[in-house]
Amino acid sequence: EVQLVESGGGLGQPGGSLRLSCPASGFTFSNYAMHWVRQAPGKGLQYLSVISADGRTTNYADSVKDRFTISRDNSKNTLFLQMRSLRVEDTAVYYCVKSAHCSRVDCPDHFDYWGHGSLVTVSS
Amino acid sequence: DIVLTQSPGTLSLSPGERVSLSCRASQSVSGNYLAWYQHKPGQTPRLLILGASTRAPGIPDRFSGSGSGTDFTLTISRLEPEDFAVYYCQQYGRSPRTFGQGTKVEF
Repeated sequence: EVQLVESGGGLGQPGGSLRLSCPASGFTFSNYAMHWVRQAPGKGLQYLSVISADGRTTNYADSVKDRFTISRDNSKNTLFLQMRSLRVEDTAVYYCVKSAHCSRVDCPDHFDYWGHGSLVTVSS
Repeated sequence: DIVLTQSPGTLSLSPGERVSLSCRASQSVSGNYLAWYQHKPGQTPRLLILGASTRAPGIPDRFSGSGSGTDFTLTISRLEPEDFAVYYCQQYGRSPRTFGQGTKVEF
């Protein structure tokens, strides 16, 4: 059974940093590109970032480029999202998401598994 | 980035009704790489349709997808009580992948 379990959320200060982790199990983690998606309170889903299976290639939405960094540790089957320069508008539930088939970031692919999300609240 | 605009924002319907949800892209979606997801409160999004018109495994045949280029539609032929949810389209043909803002189907 595929499991994605986000952690590391909580209260962050404006201008501060937080790091989310997402340990994965139930599939060969190192074979798949992985993504982060968020949902702000009362808002829709917002795509954030993707990382290739080997961790060498990444891509970001403009809204988080230069502030957020996606990474992975294939030896620990874990996906990360480092968030810096936090803003109040970064308050959201953050989901770790698995590509259905692809290992590369430029491979068109839908999502087949989602974690249950980690709530990040940015407030002073 | 490709902007996806969904309409309407909210639909108030009853079980048994037929519903069509629209998703319009700001530029052509390459390869018709367009997916539809269903999202209920407290649950993870569920893939319904991929490639604009292919039902995901286990999805009932009352759900169907159509369209190409910039205009796409999700149709639910006969609403069941469990279908009341928010529906999102997503393009995955070009990075960054993007979602529409969602359509809420409510009772």
